[in-house]
Amino acid sequence: EPEVTQTPSHQVTQMGQEVILRCVPISNHLYFYWYRQILGQKVEFLVSFYNNEISEKSEIFDDQFSVERPDGSNFTLKIRSTKLEDSAMYFCASSEGSRANEQFFGPGTRLTVL
Amino acid sequence: AQSVTQPDIHITVSEGASLELRCNYSYGATPYLFWYVQSPGQGLQLLLKYFSGDTLVQGIKGFEAEFKRSQSSFNLRKPSVHWSDAAEYFCAVSGGSYIPTFGRGTSLIVHP
Repeated sequence: EPEVTQTPSHQVTQMGQEVILRCVPISNHLYFYWYRQILGQKVEFLVSFYNNEISEKSEIFDDQFSVERPDGSNFTLKIRSTKLEDSAMYFCASSEGSRANEQFFGPGTRLTVL
Repeated sequence: AQSVTQPDIHITVSEGASLELRCNYSYGATPYLFWYVQSPGQGLQLLLKYFSGDTLVQGIKGFEAEFKRSQSSFNLRKPSVHWSDAAEYFCAVSGGSYIPTFGRGTSLIVHP
């Protein structure tokens, strides 16, 4: 069964460093998403991406965040200058369409900022 | 703005017992409602969803949920829990934007 994959499973970085989290969505899906979950808190929407551009983003997704689909398979989330409060589990998801379609989630990348 | 409340942080049940996980939502129009499950080290897996029609929806792994508009609830149920059901369960609501808003989650512990 096709699945969304994410690498790395755990990333440790120093405050102020840049990190890139990688995702490989399901191959025939067209919509891509990033969510994050701070430990003990809710899963929060960050951004959705379609046709090589951001279609929606939340207040959390500020200028330090960016997303890219550098090739036909990968979908990345970059955090330019990490802060302690960026420590969280980051989930990638993909869906065939946007409207009421099921989103398939990856296993997540745990980001720890020291 | 839409929101979801899952009032129970942890639920403990014995294997074979019935289960009900509570979810209350806030949304001004007819919502889209979801239940996801997250096993340790795994991503979120969709158990079931409600968009319209029959208010009792069946999902995978023997789960069902009932949409009650009058109570703004979408509780998840299972008649007989298995040890493999131990996981984190998330209720979510979405509306016009189709981006789900998640609850905090309920951790299900299953005793043998």
